[in-house]
Amino acid sequence: SYVLTQPPSVSVAPGQTARITCGGNNIGSKSVHWYQQKPGQAPVLVVYDDSDRPSGIPERFSGSNSGNTATLTISRVEAGDEADYYCQVWDSSSDPVRVVFGGGTKLTVL
Amino acid sequence: QVQLQESGPGLVKPSQTLSLTCTVSGGSISSGGYYWSWIRQHPGKGLEWIGYIYYSGSTYYNPSLKSRVTISVDTSKNQFSLKLSSVTAADTAVYYCARIILGMAWAFDIWGQGTMVTVSS
Repeated sequence: SYVLTQPPSVSVAPGQTARITCGGNNIGSKSVHWYQQKPGQAPVLVVYDDSDRPSGIPERFSGSNSGNTATLTISRVEAGDEADYYCQVWDSSSDPVRVVFGGGTKLTVL
Repeated sequence: QVQLQESGPGLVKPSQTLSLTCTVSGGSISSGGYYWSWIRQHPGKGLEWIGYIYYSGSTYYNPSLKSRVTISVDTSKNQFSLKLSSVTAADTAVYYCARIILGMAWAFDIWGQGTMVTVSS
């Protein structure tokens, strides 16, 4: 089955840039979605289809995807960005098509 | 705007069936272009997809749970439901319902607030 690998944690100072990676075999051929989850809350979609932002999501959130790694980039990090971040793809190589989530990355704002 | 709300018992006994309902408001569950899904999160852990359904009733389940899961839809009530049979403590989790939007590369664009279900005698 398809596996997505994320670093357990990433730390960044306010105002700096955070980069959260999501590794998978030839993930560049898939559409990657990213979700933000704050404690006690439901996940929120912050980037879809590798690099698009839903309405209401700040431009500080961006994404890229190539080869075996997708990346969520958060520019000018704020204290309010502290959360868990999950990547997600659809594994169309399986029957039926399956949803795959990464293990999540805890973003700490120092 | 569309909102999702989970409802159901917060405590289920081992070996019984967990039953949850997701009510869709602000839009029709019968609108084309969406699937409706259940996802769970064990305490302190990541997200686990359970399954999804189209308004026509077509269902797709996580193979690891398929033998115990049933997802159904009631378009007249604008609801879809989850049944998970023969539960154990390992099924203790927060259960979310979520909308899959086909026009956004099948992303989960709207989530319910989640409901905690504890399996215990």
